[in-house]
Amino acid sequence: GAGVSQSPRYKVAKRGQDVALRCDPISGHVSLFWYQQALGQGPEFLTYFQNEAQLDKSGLPSDRFFAERPEGSVSTLKIQRTQQEDSAVYLCASSWTSGSTDTQYFGPGTRLTVL
Amino acid sequence: SQQGEEDPQALSIQEGENATMNCSYKTSINNLQWYRQNSGRGLVHLILIRSNEREKHSGRLRVTLDTSKKSSSLLITASRAADTASYFCATDDYKLSFGAGTTVTVRA
Repeated sequence: GAGVSQSPRYKVAKRGQDVALRCDPISGHVSLFWYQQALGQGPEFLTYFQNEAQLDKSGLPSDRFFAERPEGSVSTLKIQRTQQEDSAVYLCASSWTSGSTDTQYFGPGTRLTVL
Repeated sequence: SQQGEEDPQALSIQEGENATMNCSYKTSINNLQWYRQNSGRGLVHLILIRSNEREKHSGRLRVTLDTSKKSSSLLITASRAADTASYFCATDDYKLSFGAGTTVTVRA
């Protein structure tokens, strides 16, 4: 079946622009996660949804970052007034439940470059 | 902040050789997972080992866990060119905390 998809795959933004990154999780997956991966580093947790509820947003680096999942499926990560330090790959993952033994399935990521 | 740390940072081996990489973590865990990432397939789950397990196998992969030392190792046996990738350990309590990864290059 279809995996997690993300769009766009690549995004170039000028500093100060707003961007919106989309994630389509695997159908029926309750849990959805966003991670940020800087060059040469492992992914770092940003935020977590269970259905439409955002249960953890402790990893969002600033109030310029906002995520939503209004109908409990597709999610959007929005970054306002982008800065150069926001350049990274943004990964979305989904899983059936929030259980700690549940495998998270990752999308291919969106590579954001802020000039 | 990242929970795990992989060692070495990079590893280059000949096809057919074994590759071993280690992971150390800081706090108590429920489970530890290993992931692989390459440009072709993104981040892929390899294996999960629970805190009460000491060793687990999956195909050519062998993972060990020593909770007293807060460390884990991943062994890839009989490596292939397709194993060229970055490997990450991750601890989980619903959200994953990854290390910086080990980059493995398998030379033909």
